[in-house]
Amino acid sequence: GIQVEQSPPDLILQEGANSTLRCNFSDSVNNLQWFHQNPWGQLINLFYIPSGTKQNGRLSATTVATERYSLLYISSSQTTDSGVYFCAVDLWETSGSRLTFGEGTQLTVNP
Amino acid sequence: NAGVTQTPKFQVLKTGQSMTLQCAQDMNHNSMYWYRQDPGMGLRLIYYSASEGTTDKGEVPNGYNVSRLNKREFSLRLESAAPSQTSVYFCASSYRWRGLTTDTQYFGPGTRLTVL
Repeated sequence: GIQVEQSPPDLILQEGANSTLRCNFSDSVNNLQWFHQNPWGQLINLFYIPSGTKQNGRLSATTVATERYSLLYISSSQTTDSGVYFCAVDLWETSGSRLTFGEGTQLTVNP
Repeated sequence: NAGVTQTPKFQVLKTGQSMTLQCAQDMNHNSMYWYRQDPGMGLRLIYYSASEGTTDKGEVPNGYNVSRLNKREFSLRLESAAPSQTSVYFCASSYRWRGLTTDTQYFGPGTRLTVL
């Protein structure tokens, strides 16, 4: 099956710093999504981004589907950004579409 | 809108017991999904339902059954729980058009299940 690799696995920042999270995938995909899992376990949608660039406040994401990677940028990080960031890719097969998750990047933002 | 709701939030079972996890969405989505998340790992797909009346196996279907009761509801059943099924279970929904997910998946709050 498709492989999804995220890097780095862990990241510790001081409040106010910027960061870039990377997601590589092994096969062509129909779409890619970024999620944030907060410390209480809730999964929050960040971006649905099969290609191109999107921005939402301090967060932005870029997917280059032809080169099989996506980047999530966090600027001016805040302690509330802490948690795990997941990349998930949607691979269409004859039986339908299914989402495969990477193992995540654990982000800790210290005050 | 409540989004995606799951019941129960927590459950403790003994090995061999059965239970059903309930999921409902009010976003008029046609596709629904069940995932499990083990400590330190990403989510893995157990079963999904592309549309009302259809269900398909995901990556880790063994030991589970599902029912798409109607467009809103998708349940996950453990017939004979095992300690290896201790996990956090998430339900999700999305809208698909012509077989492709056209928008992000929305997740419920999760059910934390412990099997002793």
